[in-house]
Amino acid sequence: LAKTTQPISMDSYEGQEVNITCSHNNIATNDYITWYQQFPSQGPRFIIQGYKTKVTNEVASLFIPADRKSSTLSLPRVSLSDTAVYYCLVGDVGGGADGLTFGKGTHLIIQP
Amino acid sequence: GAVVSQHPSWVICKSGTSVKIECRSLDFQATTMFWYRQFPKQSLMLMATSNEGSKATYEQGVEKDKFLINHASLTLSTLTVTSAHPEDSSFYICSASWGVYGYTFGSGTRLTVV
Repeated sequence: LAKTTQPISMDSYEGQEVNITCSHNNIATNDYITWYQQFPSQGPRFIIQGYKTKVTNEVASLFIPADRKSSTLSLPRVSLSDTAVYYCLVGDVGGGADGLTFGKGTHLIIQP
Repeated sequence: GAVVSQHPSWVICKSGTSVKIECRSLDFQATTMFWYRQFPKQSLMLMATSNEGSKATYEQGVEKDKFLINHASLTLSTLTVTSAHPEDSSFYICSASWGVYGYTFGSGTRLTVV
């Protein structure tokens, strides 16, 4: 899996839009970008996955520029319950035979 | 779909005893399952890959005789921590490969060895 770099922590307030950027300069042609969310004492939860341009689902949007060397997870109108660690993973993560290599993730703290 | 159930959610055991953690895929067949360990305030670290009907593959530095993995069916993988010691206390998480859709994770097991 390609190495990723993301901020260690971020703070925001309820109702704000939060954007978390992940750098992945060595992304390969076949690599996808996947974001997971983890609450304390729980397993990671899939948030969104994309290959290029923009992907949107009911909880988040993922923006990927044309060179794919970075990506931005956008969480609209966050609430206190969005406080969690967010992991960006890049690779052939379409359910293959290899386990995932998690980086340090971004600890997002939402304040009232 | 693609739910993985992990049991127990927490367990306390005495030093020297063994503990078994179960990971079940509820609505799909998981040929491959993965076991991770997570220490406080750290990221997940892959311990081993479990393949149905064959021996598990362990990551470098993981003692295969201490962490016994059995994947006897397409819906069940177990991790047994043998002769547990306090340094084995951690959060253990299983995951399953779900076709082309990615990976799904169990809710984790908090192991405390006293």
